[in-house]
This record gives sequence, C-alpha cells and structure tokens, in this order.
Amino acid sequence: NAGVMQNPRHLVRRRGQEARLRCSPMKGHSHVYWYRQLPEEGLKFMVYLQKENIIDESGMPKERFSAEFPKEGPSILRIQQVVRGDSAAYFCASSPGSGLLREQYFGPGTRLTVT
Amino acid sequence: SQQGEEDPQALSIQEGENATMNCSYKTSINNLQWYRQNSGRGLVHLILIRSNEREKHSGRLRVTLDTSKKSSSLLITASRAADTASYFCATDAPGGSQGNLIFGKGTKLSVKP
Repeated sequence: NAGVMQNPRHLVRRRGQEARLRCSPMKGHSHVYWYRQLPEEGLKFMVYLQKENIIDESGMPKERFSAEFPKEGPSILRIQQVVRGDSAAYFCASSPGSGLLREQYFGPGTRLTVT
Repeated sequence: SQQGEEDPQALSIQEGENATMNCSYKTSINNLQWYRQNSGRGLVHLILIRSNEREKHSGRLRVTLDTSKKSSSLLITASRAADTASYFCATDAPGGSQGNLIFGKGTKLSVKP
C-alpha cells in the first residue's frame, strides 16, 4: 500500500506565477489535510477536505490560495501570483476518516521556492 | 496561538542514553500525537495517546499524558544515531473541525555516535 504521495517534490516559481501542488492520499483514505511549514517551525494547518468538499479552511489565506479534492484524481493546492513569503514546505496528510482518534499519515512534502 | 509547545527546543545526547522531550498545551484535547521529522523529509507518525490514557508504549518509545497539567512527554530509551530528528507533538484543534492538528515548533534531537 503506497503511502501519501506528493508531487512535485521541489517546485521553483518566479514571483507572480502560479504554483500547483498535488497530493494523492493513501488508498482507502477519503480525508486530506494540507499544512505549511516554514524553516525551523512546526506545521501550520491550512485546509481539510473530503472528496468534493472543503470541511475546514480556517488556516488558508483569504487570497491567492485555493484547494480542491475532486471525485477523481489527487487533491490540488493552488497558489496564484506567488510571492517570496510563500516559499515553504507544503505537506499533505490523509486519514481514513475524521473524528477524534484518527492518525494522519503525511506525504514527503513539496518544497516551494519563489525567486 | 500556539497549542502545543515542545521543550527543550534542542537536545544533544550520546548514543545509548535516554532522551526525554516534553510538550505542553493550552486547552482541552481529545488526543495528542507525536511525530518525527528527519531533516528535509516528511513527518512520520510515532504514537497517538487518547485523553483518557495516561501512558503508552511502542518499542523504545514511551509517551505519558497528564491532562491535569496539560502536558505530555516522549521518552526514547537507548537512543541511536538514527533517532536524530525533530520531534513534534500535535493536538486536535479545540472547537475545530476535528480534522486539523496543531503542531508545536518541535524539539531537535541530536544523538551522537
């Protein structure tokens, strides 16, 4: 059973371009979470999705950021008009369900560098 | 605001010694999890302890939870060089969607051979 997969692993974008980060959850997992990690920091929650639904986007910046988890295919985190401050590692996690006692399994992350 | 905070920020020990890391949090929780992150890599889930549990073991790992003090500790016994990593505690978000986790800044553990 493959783990959570993210691609690309490294992404370089110039200021103003768009970044698209993909996450394929573990087989059988229908819940996806996106987190951002700045250097020397812990992970910060961004958004929680189920198939075709956004459950909690309280950690998402109001502008330029969007996320989706379509019925078919991977979850996508999209950052429009990137700025230098968007440079970070973006991690996706998945779980088989939500609720109080669910472990989240993390992917290897996408390291975004904005030049 | 920070929910989980690890202490110490950095810890350096010799191989074979035990390593203890602490985590404090502010509000009530349903569970607390510990993760390991090797430099530049993703997170690996280590252990989940529920709010009604006081202690849990997994191999060389021992986690305790004291809900009255809002704190948890992670003990790694007989440490190895391969244990060198950052360790994070994570709690469920109070009043949140029961999906997202709140992470501390981590303890950076260095185990010298």
